[in-house]
Amino acid sequence: QKEVEQDPGPLSVPEGAIVSLNCTYSNSAFQYFMWYRQYSRKGPELLMYTYSSGNKEDGRFTAQVDKSSKYISLFIRDSQPSDSATYLCAMTLLRDMRFGAGTRLTVKP
Amino acid sequence: SQTIHQWPATLVQPVGSPLSLECTVEGTSNPNLYWYRQAAGRGLQLLFYSVGIGQISSEVPQNLSASRPQDRQFILSSKKLLLSDSGFYLCAWRPHTGELFFGEGSRLTVL
Repeated sequence: QKEVEQDPGPLSVPEGAIVSLNCTYSNSAFQYFMWYRQYSRKGPELLMYTYSSGNKEDGRFTAQVDKSSKYISLFIRDSQPSDSATYLCAMTLLRDMRFGAGTRLTVKP
Repeated sequence: SQTIHQWPATLVQPVGSPLSLECTVEGTSNPNLYWYRQAAGRGLQLLFYSVGIGQISSEVPQNLSASRPQDRQFILSSKKLLLSDSGFYLCAWRPHTGELFFGEGSRLTVL
């Protein structure tokens, strides 16, 4: 079993839709949880960063962490074509960081 | 604010040739530095990390090496490239714990 599982997609939605991206993990010791957005041929860009169970909101983005069930989610409201990218979840324990394989999202106008 | 620079952005090299990718970080001191490789359609593979000058940890035995000659400089090298070294190389830095910040990446094609 991989430490971090992420559905690779691809996921295609119409503009304005609510997008839900998810990751599950097996190591309950992970402390910090992140979501990155990566446009084609670019480095990953940090979107959300949290360390506790619950929701964290930033504009159209909401990160959700459920440590008891060992899953994290990223919700995108009112999705835009500019949100089309690959989304990577990541989690860390001290120096070690583990990434999901990434979900490719396309938002169609 | 902190910034990370990585170069060259794109590189096409013949098999057996040497490689040098450079990364520098500005606006912070004594960062943890990382080299990752991202193969097409696959996740991020950690290659090397460094917690200080001259301190390099290798995660995967391979044809590559890394060096940290200065506090904010991290170099990825190879003496002889293989076809399998092709990929997207990402330098990253982080505070001692917490989030990771990536550079723009270097795309290497070995022919």
